[in-house]
Amino acid sequence: DAGVIQSPRHEVTEMGQEVTLRCKPISGHNSLFWYRQTMMRGLELLIYFNNNVPIDDSGMPEDRFSAKMPNASFSTLKIQPSEPRDSAVYFCASSFGGGGGEQYFGPGTRLTVT
Amino acid sequence: GESVGLHLPTLSVQEGDNSIINCAYSNSASDYFIWYKQESGKGPQFIIDIRSNMDKRQGQRVTVLLNKTVKHLSLQIAATQPGDSAVYFCAERGNTGNQFYFGTGTSLTVIP
Repeated sequence: DAGVIQSPRHEVTEMGQEVTLRCKPISGHNSLFWYRQTMMRGLELLIYFNNNVPIDDSGMPEDRFSAKMPNASFSTLKIQPSEPRDSAVYFCASSFGGGGGEQYFGPGTRLTVT
Repeated sequence: GESVGLHLPTLSVQEGDNSIINCAYSNSASDYFIWYKQESGKGPQFIIDIRSNMDKRQGQRVTVLLNKTVKHLSLQIAATQPGDSAVYFCAERGNTGNQFYFGTGTSLTVIP
């Protein structure tokens, strides 16, 4: 199994631009999570999906952030417009089962907004 | 002004010694906990888990202890190796059952 796949691995963009991060969960997993990791705030849960449906998006910082999961094998996290304070490493993770078991993390996308 | 980041607890151990990493969790109703290891430039990786109906669980070279009275978890690594150098996070499962909340992490450095 290839594990959770994220793209791009690195993204550098200018303030005001739209950024789209992509994630392919492990096949067969039915829960998908987006996290953000910074030195200031550590690892924060942004949103998670169960069976492609957003369950809890209370961690999404503001309206500039949106996430979609159009099917079981693909999810996007979009930031529009991006700001320098959005610079962070964004992780996608997936798990199987509604009981919240072990989450498998992708390698992350390092976003830098200048 | 100067930015203030998280002050990550650090632990340095000699290779071959045992390591103990501690974590305090916040929700007394949490029923499931996981320890993750994060190496530089990588995502967190599962090490071991424990349910709240247990107070100890052992894996290969790792042991997790749970003290629900004081809401405390610990991770013990036996015969620590250089490859164990990483940041270690504890995570507690949230009330709705599927999300986890991560602690700030502890940076472990193994001295050869």
